[in-house]
Amino acid sequence: AQSVAQPEDQVNVAEGNPLTVKCTYSVSGNPYLFWYVQYPNRGLQFLLKYITGDNLVKGSYGFEAEFNKSQTSFHLKKPSALVSDSALYFCAVRDMSTGGFKTIFGAGTRLFVKA
Amino acid sequence: NAGVTQTPKFQVLKTGQSMTLQCAQDMNHNSMYWYRQDPGMGLRLIYYSASEGTTDKGEVPNGYNVSRLNKREFSLRLESAAPSQTSVYFCASSELGADNSPLHFGNGTRLTVT
Repeated sequence: AQSVAQPEDQVNVAEGNPLTVKCTYSVSGNPYLFWYVQYPNRGLQFLLKYITGDNLVKGSYGFEAEFNKSQTSFHLKKPSALVSDSALYFCAVRDMSTGGFKTIFGAGTRLFVKA
Repeated sequence: NAGVTQTPKFQVLKTGQSMTLQCAQDMNHNSMYWYRQDPGMGLRLIYYSASEGTTDKGEVPNGYNVSRLNKREFSLRLESAAPSQTSVYFCASSELGADNSPLHFGNGTRLTVT
């Protein structure tokens, strides 16, 4: 079965410092991986995806993610955090065994960026 | 473009009452989805509609029904609400079967069942 784990409930970082939000996955076959961000009282917004190709994926708002097949990880990164990056972040994997219509989400990691 | 629009934004029900959550998208997407979000559990798929005229169960379909009214609209019905259905409900849409297509979400309906 496909699954996604986000081992940290919360990540705290000072503004201007680099940030990492961790994600590991378990899939059969090739992974289709996504990161989404959720701001208060809003729906999830797409940040970036990995389907195939370069292991470093660049996305919106200066975020990037590193795909590591041997470690089955897809960590979200940003070189310099902003206070406005404070939000809830979800890693997700698309279950291609069911035609791609089911996306499995991690439990989410809350990012706090302190000024 | 409005994207994905959900109504209502908030709702309080008593146990046993029924209600329908409405969702509409203006992106001409074929696939639509209903998720629920509970603290510490991420999002769980309730039902989805791969294309107009089809619906399928997701991970947690019990207690819910759906209707794909047309290509734009996908509604979620609670026939007899229970406190366990207290949650935030999100509708989403995407391109049909496109493996690189992300989900586009509405802003959610916060439902409380007392």
